[in-house]
Amino acid sequence: KAGVTQTPRYLIKTRGQQVTLSCSPISGHRSVSWYQQTPGQGLQFLFEYFSETQRNKGNFPGRFSGRQFSNSRSEMNVSTLELGDSALYLCASSAGGFGTEAFFGQGTRLTVV
Amino acid sequence: AQTVTQSQPEMSVQEAETVTLSCTYDTSESDYYLFWYKQPPSRQMILVIRQEAYKQQNATENRFSVNFQKAAKSFSLKISDSQLGDAAMYFCAYRETGTASKLTFGTGTRLQVTL
Repeated sequence: KAGVTQTPRYLIKTRGQQVTLSCSPISGHRSVSWYQQTPGQGLQFLFEYFSETQRNKGNFPGRFSGRQFSNSRSEMNVSTLELGDSALYLCASSAGGFGTEAFFGQGTRLTVV
Repeated sequence: AQTVTQSQPEMSVQEAETVTLSCTYDTSESDYYLFWYKQPPSRQMILVIRQEAYKQQNATENRFSVNFQKAAKSFSLKISDSQLGDAAMYFCAYRETGTASKLTFGTGTRLQVTL
């Protein structure tokens, strides 16, 4: 069974640009969550999508958005990039029921210059 | 809001020895899940062990076990017979029941394993 796949692995963008990150969950998983990991703030929850609907949202500005497609693949978009958006973005997939475990991808390392 | 605290930024253990990583959390909920995740240099978060709060018995997974003290809101991870491959960042995480996948993480403990 293939794991969680995140693309691209590395990305360099300029301030003010926008970026889209992709996450393909484990086959059969309907929930995809996104996390931002930085040295200063640690791991912070961005949002969760389940069956194409945002089910939960963290404390991030509206520049951070996401969506989920009918095949459960998810994309995360950050508009008007700031230097502080440089981070490792992790995606996690789960079957979506209560008690199910989250399996993480290897992340996308975003650098904003 | 729930918080998770890991007070040991770094720990070191000799190969084949035992080490315990500490974690405390704060919640007003009575039912929830606790996890330990490992993040090696490859950056991928790997689930090490999970504990359901309604279970009194401490979870074990091979060389990994937890000491879950619900009243004290403490959830420590014991690694026995440490191996070089155990070197990584370890994160303690909390999740409520009923809110599916949202995890609240601690700040992590970097574990070094020496020969």
